[in-house]
Amino acid sequence: QAVVTQEPSLTVSPGGTVTLTCGSSTGAVTSGHYPYWFQQKPGQAPRTLIYDTSNKHSWTPARFSGSLLGGKAALTLSGAQPEDEAEYYCLLSYSGARPGFGGGTKLTVL
Amino acid sequence: EVQLVESGGGLVQPGGSLRLSCAASGFTFSSYWMHWVRQAPGKGLVWVSRINSDGSSTSYADSVKGRFTISRDNAKNTLYLQMNSLRAEDTAVYYCVGGAFDIWGQGTMVTVSS
Repeated sequence: QAVVTQEPSLTVSPGGTVTLTCGSSTGAVTSGHYPYWFQQKPGQAPRTLIYDTSNKHSWTPARFSGSLLGGKAALTLSGAQPEDEAEYYCLLSYSGARPGFGGGTKLTVL
Repeated sequence: EVQLVESGGGLVQPGGSLRLSCAASGFTFSSYWMHWVRQAPGKGLVWVSRINSDGSSTSYADSVKGRFTISRDNAKNTLYLQMNSLRAEDTAVYYCVGGAFDIWGQGTMVTVSS
């Protein structure tokens, strides 16, 4: 199975902007990987923020956005809030319907 | 309210078996693909298996292929995961996930230990 890579940890200042990325060992990430982004806080189940590269759910705060950047999927947080401190996971879909999660990025708002 | 509720987790010895269930409510379960995702203590998310809406197609991660079986009963709005030949490395919280990964259960803990 392909390996999906994320930054292990990132730090952002309150009100600041940060971009998390999601790469694939098979090459460039494209819209055909239907990238997802999930947020997980301690003791909670994950929740989906972004699906199909850049689409948001009704519960996704407007400060989160998804895109493709330099051959990777990207999640950008603009105007970070203390409550955004969490683990963030990406998910990529591959042929044969066997998706893969990245290892997660621990985001600190400090 | 859209909801997934897992059950069936617990402590099992290596080599043992366990069946997880996931009861769905608040949405048309029979129209949704469903997945199982697991998370070992302090570790990241790992996709385990998926099943299409009518149960005719399944897929598994290499780490569980041949040992785990996913199934569903659309009449009962319930998803299952039969886990056999369990190993210590299968210890994790198992999440039932619906549709396009937009509906998550609260998870059930499976511990494989002697």
